[in-house]
Amino acid sequence: KNQVEQSPQSLIILEGKNCTLQCNYTVSPFSNLRWYKQDTGRGPVSLTIMTFSENTKSNGRYTATLDADTKQSSLHITASQLSDSASYICVVSAYQAGTALIFGKGTTLSVSS
Amino acid sequence: NAGVTQTPKFQVLKTGQSMTLQCAQDMNHNSMYWYRQDPGMGLRLIYYSASEGTTDKGEVPNGYNVSRLNKREFSLRLESAAPSQTSVYFCASSGSIAGGSTDTQYFGPGTRLTVL
Repeated sequence: KNQVEQSPQSLIILEGKNCTLQCNYTVSPFSNLRWYKQDTGRGPVSLTIMTFSENTKSNGRYTATLDADTKQSSLHITASQLSDSASYICVVSAYQAGTALIFGKGTTLSVSS
Repeated sequence: NAGVTQTPKFQVLKTGQSMTLQCAQDMNHNSMYWYRQDPGMGLRLIYYSASEGTTDKGEVPNGYNVSRLNKREFSLRLESAAPSQTSVYFCASSGSIAGGSTDTQYFGPGTRLTVL
């Protein structure tokens, strides 16, 4: 069964600190992996999209890594800001007909001052 | 360029009532989607439209119908609302829906629906 598991479920860090969110997946055949940021009360916004051949992709202070062999991804946030407080969702796409996006449940990040 | 817009933002219904959620995009995207998001669960696909004139069921289609009115608009209808349909509904669009596409999905702001 295609699944995406994220950890931790929630995380609290101090402003200025770094953090890493994890995503493990069992999706086959794998096509690409996405990270979204969802602010409270808003729709998700795409941060990165990585294909099988990409190991790392950055978007400002956000850096995503992908290990297709172990089927793991991480999202590293550097020098966190209060505005980083949000839910971060890992989404994996499979090669198949139709839309095959499998969503994780998300990690809720709270950045405090 | 408004992106993806949804109406209404909030709605309260009584069990058995019907309503239509509206979605429009101005990015000339071929594909559009309806998702629901419930606490503790990931986004779940209700219906999608790969291109104008086509619609297909997603993971949780029961109790819903959709219409792809034209390339811009994709509506979701609840014929007889039930409390289990209390949720936040998101519309999204992307250039392509082909398996393996890396096209970015753009989401609307959501409709918060409560069914009493």
